[in-house]
Amino acid sequence: NAGVTQTPKFQVLKTGQSMTLQCAQDMNHEYMSWYRQDPGMGLRLIHYSVGAGITDQGEVPNGYNVSRSTTEDFPLRLLSAAPSQTSVYFCASSSGLAGGQYFGPGTRLTVL
Amino acid sequence: KNQVEQSPQSLIILEGKNCTLQCNYTVSPFSNLRWYKQDTGRGPVSLTIMTFSENTKSNGRYTATLDADTKQSSLHITASQLSDSASYICVVSATGTYKYIFGTGTRLKVLA
Repeated sequence: NAGVTQTPKFQVLKTGQSMTLQCAQDMNHEYMSWYRQDPGMGLRLIHYSVGAGITDQGEVPNGYNVSRSTTEDFPLRLLSAAPSQTSVYFCASSSGLAGGQYFGPGTRLTVL
Repeated sequence: KNQVEQSPQSLIILEGKNCTLQCNYTVSPFSNLRWYKQDTGRGPVSLTIMTFSENTKSNGRYTATLDADTKQSSLHITASQLSDSASYICVVSATGTYKYIFGTGTRLKVLA
């Protein structure tokens, strides 16, 4: 199993550009989520999904969109990048509420 | 407000020594508490998961304790190794929700 994979590993954008961060898991997990990690702060939930076709907002959803067309994939879209979105982004999946979360390796995004 | 606080923020110990990291939370109603290890530049990896009824859980040299009455948890690392150098994150979830509350972590450095 590859576990949770994320692409790209690094990305530099200019303000106003859009892009999609990819996340995929091969463990047949229903629950997937996106977090951002900023210095001095805990991971903050952006969006999450409890199954294909079902998504919901987390703590910091503004400026981001998600969709879940398949169990395996959960892409995160930045609509119009802003410097405040410079961060490290982690995707995670789990089999349910009681299961441990498996995190991807992260995407380091810089917005100039 | 649901919060998770960890102490100390950072810790330096010599190889072979033991150490204990603390986590206090105000998440309610409590579902489970997790400890993660995050190496620099990588995603968090689960160490332990404890529910309300569990007081202690071990994973090799890592032992987590939970006092649900005082809403405190600790992570004890025995006979530390250089590879234990990482950030350790406490995460608490409330019953019936997929929203996990992350602490800011304790950064541990083990010196030879």
